[in-house]
Amino acid sequence: GAVVSQHPSWVICKSGTSVKIECRSLDFQATTMFWYRQFPKQSLMLMATSNEGSKATYEQGVEKDKFLINHASLTLSTLTVTSAHPEDSSFYICSASSGSAKNIQYFGAGTRLSVL
Amino acid sequence: AQSVTQLDSQVPVFEEAPVELRCNYSSSVSVYLFWYVQYPNQGLQLLLKYLSGSTLVKGINGFEAEFNKSQTSFHLRKPSVHISDTAEYFCAVSADDYKLSFGAGTTVTVRA
Repeated sequence: GAVVSQHPSWVICKSGTSVKIECRSLDFQATTMFWYRQFPKQSLMLMATSNEGSKATYEQGVEKDKFLINHASLTLSTLTVTSAHPEDSSFYICSASSGSAKNIQYFGAGTRLSVL
Repeated sequence: AQSVTQLDSQVPVFEEAPVELRCNYSSSVSVYLFWYVQYPNQGLQLLLKYLSGSTLVKGINGFEAEFNKSQTSFHLRKPSVHISDTAEYFCAVSADDYKLSFGAGTTVTVRA
């Protein structure tokens, strides 16, 4: 099946620093990638949608200058949390879909971000 | 916009017993429906999906779900659960924009 790799799986950083999370589709071309945020014992909330080579589309209430998304190739998207603060601590999950099966999203294993 | 309601937040069940997880959705357009499973500290794994065609959908690990358009439901069932089925289960819906809207999740705890 389609495999999505997310790295790192866990990151701890100091308040005010920036953190980059990578999401890679290993065996298919991901024309669209999605970034979600999940709080403990809660559901996933879509943050943004990115199409390869285009600017990401952010959901209402998500600060695009704080959560920078880049989708420069068909196999890689990155999420950079800029000037992270403790309230940004969360579980971030990416997913990817291909042009031939846009309906189906394949998920990465997630990244747990802890901001001290 | 679409929305999903998972009617049970927690479902305890004994090993080898059947389980049903309820999911209702609301939408003004045709939808695609999904069930995902999440194990602790992991991402989501697709259990099954309904895109079109037969309303009874079979997925991995012995799970199945039935799409009922008149009742706007997509309940998930398994006739006999294992300890390894202990996890969080999410129902999700999307439309032609391909964005997924998730339910709040159902925690399934299987006991011996």
